[in-house]
Amino acid sequence: AQSVAQPEDQVNVAEGNPLTVKCTYSVSGNPYLFWYVQYPNRGLQFLLKYITGDNLVKGSYGFEAEFNKSQTSFHLKKPSALVSDSALYFCADAGKSTFGDGTTLTVKP
Amino acid sequence: DVKVTQSSRYLVKRTGEKVFLECVQDMDHENMFWYRQDPGLGLRLIYFSYDVKMKEKGDIPEGYSVSREKKERFSLILESASTNQTSMYLCASSKWTGGNTGELFFGEGSRLTVL
Repeated sequence: AQSVAQPEDQVNVAEGNPLTVKCTYSVSGNPYLFWYVQYPNRGLQFLLKYITGDNLVKGSYGFEAEFNKSQTSFHLKKPSALVSDSALYFCADAGKSTFGDGTTLTVKP
Repeated sequence: DVKVTQSSRYLVKRTGEKVFLECVQDMDHENMFWYRQDPGLGLRLIYFSYDVKMKEKGDIPEGYSVSREKKERFSLILESASTNQTSMYLCASSKWTGGNTGELFFGEGSRLTVL
């Protein structure tokens, strides 16, 4: 079984609205959780990571993620979505170098 | 600017051919990885390497081999290409931080089509 799961294949939001891309994990011990983004026809780019410390992690392009141990979740969030945020997003378990299946985010004007 | 370079963006090969995918990083990273990306399946780890001449199998190593003769170069080899190996292949590198906490830097990908 995958150590990280992304329950939604697709997320659609309107520009200016808050967005959330979900990730849950099943990692024994301390989880090392990452988010990456892939724009069309490009390689993946690192967004942010949780290793230890504050449960709210801030990353690139205005994204942040909240680590929730009781819910075993690491959801990616942004207060106000942009059309340019439309891309494929991956949650990853760095400890096993494994990735979720990805969530396609579409932000409509 | 840090860089991971994959030698070919697009390749078309025939069934049974031997295929080499090359990856070079200029960041002096210890770790290097090969993934394949297929729609709906995310990224699946094929092989990784923590040091020169070292390699570890990932989740789907069957049909693949790797070579790491120099720290900056990590090659993926398909000994006898098959149509089910048609995919996007992504190379990545990361710095060893004593716990796999370093972020991965990815190349642009190599799209392989096997006919």
